[in-house]
Amino acid sequence: GESVGLHLPTLSVQEGDNSIINCAYSNSASDYFIWYKQESGKGPQFIIDIRSNMDKRQGQRVTVLLNKTVKHLSLQIAATQPGDSAVYFCAETFSSNTGKLIFGQGTTLQVKP
Amino acid sequence: DADVTQTPRNRITKTGKRIMLECSQTKGHDRMYWYRQDPGLGLRLIYYSFDVKDINKGEISDGYSVSRQAQAKFSLSLESAIPNQTALYFCATSAGQRNSPLHFGNGTRLTVT
Repeated sequence: GESVGLHLPTLSVQEGDNSIINCAYSNSASDYFIWYKQESGKGPQFIIDIRSNMDKRQGQRVTVLLNKTVKHLSLQIAATQPGDSAVYFCAETFSSNTGKLIFGQGTTLQVKP
Repeated sequence: DADVTQTPRNRITKTGKRIMLECSQTKGHDRMYWYRQDPGLGLRLIYYSFDVKDINKGEISDGYSVSRQAQAKFSLSLESAIPNQTALYFCATSAGQRNSPLHFGNGTRLTVT
């Protein structure tokens, strides 16, 4: 069945370094992808999204890359800060227009001072 | 996201009890969703609603029911709670446009003993 997975459950980086969080998906029909950040005690917070007709999208300090050939999604965070420490989820939808997102299990980002 | 409010934030109940989790939103979104989050399993969709007259089952609807009382309110009920329904529950909303991200509340932590 379809699955969305993150490569590493935990990523530890030094403050100021760039972080890269990876995600693999299995359904080539997926056409919309989202990255969420979840801090302790809070709900997932939208970071950035990308449609399947794009390869790259940039936000403030974040970039999402989509490689449809290998069904791979990544989130890059520039100059990682302590406030970036959280669990990051990728999500996909292949049932367009329903909002039925399929979530990966999450990667915990730890930022060392 | 303060625009999506869930009550209660925490609840402990006994097996067999009926429980209702409430969600209200001020975002003016038509679409509302209930997800459950378990360690290692990510977020899974329980029910979703596209408007007041619309209710749809998600991937894990057994043991749950919902009510969409108004555009801004969507409640989740456990008719007879069981211990494996212990989880973190999230309500989310989205706008009606294709490929709109979900906006989550801060969750209800439910423990069934």
